[in-house]
Parts: sequence; structure tokens; C-alpha cells
Amino acid sequence: KAGVTQTPRYLIKTRGQQVTLSCSPISGHRSVSWYQQTPGQGLQFLFEYFSETQRNKGNFPGRFSGRQFSNSRSEMNVSTLELGDSALYLCASSWGPDREVNNEQFFGPGTRLTVL
Amino acid sequence: DQQVKQNSPSLSVQEGRISILNCDYTNSMFDYFLWYKKYPAEGPTFLISISSIKDKNEDGRFTVFLNKSAKHLSLHIVPSQPGDSAVYFCAALANYGGSQGNLIFGKGTKLSVKP
Repeated sequence: KAGVTQTPRYLIKTRGQQVTLSCSPISGHRSVSWYQQTPGQGLQFLFEYFSETQRNKGNFPGRFSGRQFSNSRSEMNVSTLELGDSALYLCASSWGPDREVNNEQFFGPGTRLTVL
Repeated sequence: DQQVKQNSPSLSVQEGRISILNCDYTNSMFDYFLWYKKYPAEGPTFLISISSIKDKNEDGRFTVFLNKSAKHLSLHIVPSQPGDSAVYFCAALANYGGSQGNLIFGKGTKLSVKP
């Protein structure tokens, strides 16, 4: 079974631009979560989607948005990029959003975004 | 304010010895805890979890202990192997009406196992 895939793996943008990152979950998984990893803050939750609906949202400004498609693939968008948005963006999938045994999240390799 | 704290940014252990990674939390609503391992250029990989109804969970060389009264958990790796060298993240989930909610991560501890 293929793992979680994220594209692109690396991205360089300049301040003020916008960026779209893509995540394809493990086949059969319907829940997708996004996290931002920075050296100073560690891993921080951005949002969670299930069945094309946002179920949870972390404490990030409105410049960060996301969506999920009917095939469970998800995208996140960051508009008006700032230097501080430079980070590793990780996507994780699970078969559902509920807390059950063996419903752990599986992470993709991440997209490394650098904002100049 | 950090709800999940890993106070040791790094830990160095000799191969074959025990590695103990610690994690403290402040939110009493957390009732499910997980450990993830992360190698460079890869996403975190799930290692082991524990529910708050238990105080110990074991899986091969990995054992997680939970002390609810102290709001503390630890991951024991015995025996440690050089391939265990990675960053280990402690994560917690709060029980909000059954939803998985979101994982709250600590900042990680970099484990180095020396041959």
C-alpha cells in the first residue's frame, strides 16, 4: 500500500506570493490533517479534514486555508507569504477522524517551503 | 503556552543500554498519548501509544509509561540500537466528544545511539 504523498517536496517563494501544497492520503483513508514544523515551535496543528469538511482548525491566521476533495486528496494554501512561513509542512492521514484503536495518523515526507 | 513539553532537546546513549525519553503535559483533558519517531527528510512515524486508562504499554523494545497524577510519560527503548537514532516526538490528544481532534506535539528529543 502506498504511503502518504506530498507534492512538491521543496518550494522556494518570495514574500507576498501565495502557495498551494498537495497531499494524497493512503488509499482508503478519509481523514487528512496538516501540520507545520519549525525549529522554534516544533510541530503545530493547522487543520483537519474529513469527507471534504474541515473538522478542526489550529491557531493560525486566515492566510492559511485548506480543502479536501471527494477522493480525499487535500490541498493547503498560504496567501501573502511571510518570512516566518518558512517551514516543513506535513500532511497526515488516517481512515477516519474518530479516536479508535489503530486509527493512528500516518505522515507524509512533508513539503519544505522557503520564503525569501 | 506549551501543553506538551519535552525538556531534553537531545540525549546520547550507548548501544545496548536503555534510552529513556521524557514528556510532561499540562492539559488535564489529554487522555491519549503517542510517540513518533522522525528521521531527517521523512515524516514522523508512529511508534507506540497509550490510553489514560493504562499506565504501561509495551511493544517489543519500546515501552511507554504514563503517570497521570504527575502528568508525565516516558518512552523506554531497551536495548537501544544505532538505528534508533532519530528525533522522538511526544504527542497528546484531548477527549472532545469522541473526535480525534488534533495532535499536540512536544518539540522533540534528538536521540543519538552510539555504537
